[in-house]
Amino acid sequence: DTGVSQNPRHKITKRGQNVTFRCDPISEHNRLYWYRQTLGQGPEFLTYFQNEAQLEKSRLLSDRFSAERPKGSFSTLEIQRTEQGDSAMYLCASSLDEGSNTEAFFGQGTRLTVV
Amino acid sequence: AQKVTQAQTEISVVEKEDVTLDCVYETRDTTYYLFWYKQPPSGELVFLIRRNSFDEQNEISGRYSWNFQKSTSSFNFTITASQVVDSAVYFCALSEHSSASKIIFGSGTRLSIRP
Repeated sequence: DTGVSQNPRHKITKRGQNVTFRCDPISEHNRLYWYRQTLGQGPEFLTYFQNEAQLEKSRLLSDRFSAERPKGSFSTLEIQRTEQGDSAMYLCASSLDEGSNTEAFFGQGTRLTVV
Repeated sequence: AQKVTQAQTEISVVEKEDVTLDCVYETRDTTYYLFWYKQPPSGELVFLIRRNSFDEQNEISGRYSWNFQKSTSSFNFTITASQVVDSAVYFCALSEHSSASKIIFGSGTRLSIRP
């Protein structure tokens, strides 16, 4: 499978616990994005990487959230001290760096439920 | 400010009817890109189309067609002879040239096709 891969697909955690999600982009794509989607809403931009550099973070990304892309390939998104409001689908996307006219390919997402 | 508005929250039609999903956008950029994505129950975002701001030609792909009108800042999507498999949530989205392909999504329209 050469698409964007996200693991795990589902995660249930207790409030206050830390969780980490992984995203493996399409291999030649140097841009990687994280989005969050809550029920009944469209995906909301969280952050984006160009290779290993994190170039933009949304105000939605509180101090409890951290994302890394250490070698410019896969990325991880960690949420510390989870809250019930963190329950959402977390989507990863990747694209080529060919100006702005590039298509972003999305993974199937990780659905987080905080109980 | 960049914004995408999909005023129709839910639409339900009988199979074989034509249906149009509305999308209105706001942007200050003169160069931007508009998208439609489909999100079936499985959750993955499926890319349907991308148009750039300099190309106002309407596009047809099988039963799908798109009407881009800069004068009204609209990018509407029509499905002709709808089928049950078209049932999904459809998102209109905007990417500005100045924002490194960050995609801003509308809130989506849930389309239900009844047999």
